[in-house]
Amino acid sequence: EPEVTQTPSHQVTQMGQEVILRCVPISNHLYFYWYRQILGQKVEFLVSFYNNEISEKSEIFDDQFSVERPDGSNFTLKIRSTKLEDSAMYFCASSEGTFYEQYFGPGTRLTVT
Amino acid sequence: AQTVTQSQPEMSVQEAETVTLSCTYDTSENNYYLFWYKQPPSRQMILVIRQEAYKQQNATENRFSVNFQKAAKSFSLKISDSQLGDTAMYFCAPNTDKLIFGTGTRLQVFP
Repeated sequence: EPEVTQTPSHQVTQMGQEVILRCVPISNHLYFYWYRQILGQKVEFLVSFYNNEISEKSEIFDDQFSVERPDGSNFTLKIRSTKLEDSAMYFCASSEGTFYEQYFGPGTRLTVT
Repeated sequence: AQTVTQSQPEMSVQEAETVTLSCTYDTSENNYYLFWYKQPPSRQMILVIRQEAYKQQNATENRFSVNFQKAAKSFSLKISDSQLGDTAMYFCAPNTDKLIFGTGTRLQVFP
């Protein structure tokens, strides 16, 4: 069964460093998303991506964040200068259509020290 | 702004019994789907069930069913014949063009 994959599973970085989180969505899906979940809190929407551009972004997704689909399979989230409060689990998701079910990857746990 | 309320932070149920998790939401959209996701300790987000808002018939998926009341903006999840593997956080999430998650209900199934 097709699945969304994410690498790395755990990333530790120092404050101020850049990180890139990688995702491989399900191959026939057209819509891609990033969500984050701070430990013990709810899952929050960051950004949606369709047709090689951002469809929508939340207030969390400020200038420090960017997304890219560098080739036909990968979908990346970059945080330019990490802060302590960026520590969270980051989930990538993909779907066939706007309202359809989104399938989540296993997440990348980002720890900023 | 769209909001989702899950008023039961924690629930517990004995194995083989039935439990219902509640969810209410607020949206001005007319076209949307609704989902329940399960998050076990591994933190993987697993789709449990979906409901199209334009359908009056409640969705069912094996032991999982929903009670969808569109006018009341209510979307509860019923788990029948609970199993130990159902122990997890459960999130309700309407999808207009993105998923908006509630705060979750932690369900513990005990033997």
